[in-house]
Amino acid sequence: ETGVTQTPRHLVMGMTNKKSLKCEQHLGHNAMYWYKQSAKKPLELMFVYNFKEQTENNSVPSRFSPECPNSSHLFLHLHTLQPEDSALYLCASSQEGTSSSYNEQFFGPGTRLTVL
Amino acid sequence: GNSVTQMEGPVTLSEEAFLTINCTYTATGYPSLFWYVQYPGEGLQLLLKATKADDKGSNKGFEATYRKETTSFHLEKGSVQVSDSAVYFCALSEMRGSTLGRLYFGRGTQLTVWP
Repeated sequence: ETGVTQTPRHLVMGMTNKKSLKCEQHLGHNAMYWYKQSAKKPLELMFVYNFKEQTENNSVPSRFSPECPNSSHLFLHLHTLQPEDSALYLCASSQEGTSSSYNEQFFGPGTRLTVL
Repeated sequence: GNSVTQMEGPVTLSEEAFLTINCTYTATGYPSLFWYVQYPGEGLQLLLKATKADDKGSNKGFEATYRKETTSFHLEKGSVQVSDSAVYFCALSEMRGSTLGRLYFGRGTQLTVWP
């Protein structure tokens, strides 16, 4: 595997279910991100992890719970979701702490989530 | 604060037509600028970037020039193909000291190219 992979690619769940999204990056990066992409809305940054520490949580409801066990893996645990949470969830990674002045992020293909 | 504004779509063109997607930005410092592309059913891919004023990013026939005086980074291609049909996102990133840089995205512009 190369780049950033996400599983599953598609997920349908009921509002009472508990599921997890998985992201893995094979690029040796030290920062990982979760984004939510809804129809007709801007891309929303949800969580940021830098060196496994959560550095940003953009007022995301507690029914979304991230976990970053190491710098290569990132999970998004889901429970008691609402239909409006249906969206494409994108994972990204980048290499931070270098002398580079920019932040180039590499994205996975996303998980298409439908909440019934 | 930081923000990106890009032209709303959808944009529909015939094959070999000229493409321009406008993007302007607001930033408090000296950002780097990006265009990402999202093909149907896929995640975002970096298309091109520019890290300082007057830089021109280019890739796959697409170009964009970092214009500090007009705070713009318009995407252009001289002759589009059906395979260019996708959603295009303009974005900026600004590093401040040790603060982790983050990307600020525009809303995306849907491009459809007909044969």
